Amino acid sequence: NAGVTQTPKFQVLKTGQSMTLQCAQDMNHEYMSWYRQDPGMGLRLIHYSVGAGITDQGEVPNGYNVSRSTTEDFPLRLLSAAPSQTSVYFCASSYQLLGQGTSGNTIYFGEGSWLTVV
Amino acid sequence: KNEVEQSPQNLTAQEGEFITINCSYSVGISALHWLQQHPGGGIVSLFMLSSGKKKHGRLIATINIQEKHSSLHITASHPRDSAVYICAVRGLYSGGGADGLTFGKGTHLIIQP
Repeated sequence: NAGVTQTPKFQVLKTGQSMTLQCAQDMNHEYMSWYRQDPGMGLRLIHYSVGAGITDQGEVPNGYNVSRSTTEDFPLRLLSAAPSQTSVYFCASSYQLLGQGTSGNTIYFGEGSWLTVV
Repeated sequence: KNEVEQSPQNLTAQEGEFITINCSYSVGISALHWLQQHPGGGIVSLFMLSSGKKKHGRLIATINIQEKHSSLHITASHPRDSAVYICAVRGLYSGGGADGLTFGKGTHLIIQP
């Protein structure tokens, strides 16, 4: 299994540009989420999905859109990039809602995407 | 919103030492995760706990629900254990759907040979 595949690894954008961070998982997980990681702060939830066709906002959703047309894919779109969106982004998936279920409910993370907006 | 505090923020130790990283949270939870973030960024799940203690190799995780506290221990530490260790919790009453986890800021561990 490839697990969670996240692309690109690195990206530099100019202010105002748009782009999409791709996330795909091959484990048939219902739950997928996007986080951003900033220096001195814990990971913060941007958007999440509990299944195909269902998405919802997390803690810091402004400036980002998501969609979940298939179980496998959960892309994150930056609509008009701003320097405040410079961050490291992580996609994650799990079989059940994060924190619930049995001890086998492991969270799987992508390798991260380093985004710089200039 | 749950407040998650980890201590210490930074820890440098010698190879072979017994390591303890602590995590405290403010509100009752349904589960707690320990994660490891390697240099270069990848994040790996180590444990999910809702009670008691779990062990995997040289890693041991414990949780005290009454005291709202968890510890991650590393026995016989090795330089390859150098990483950031992150605690994350999910509250008991977390909204009408999945609103994810609340993460600590992480503990940066360096094990010197």
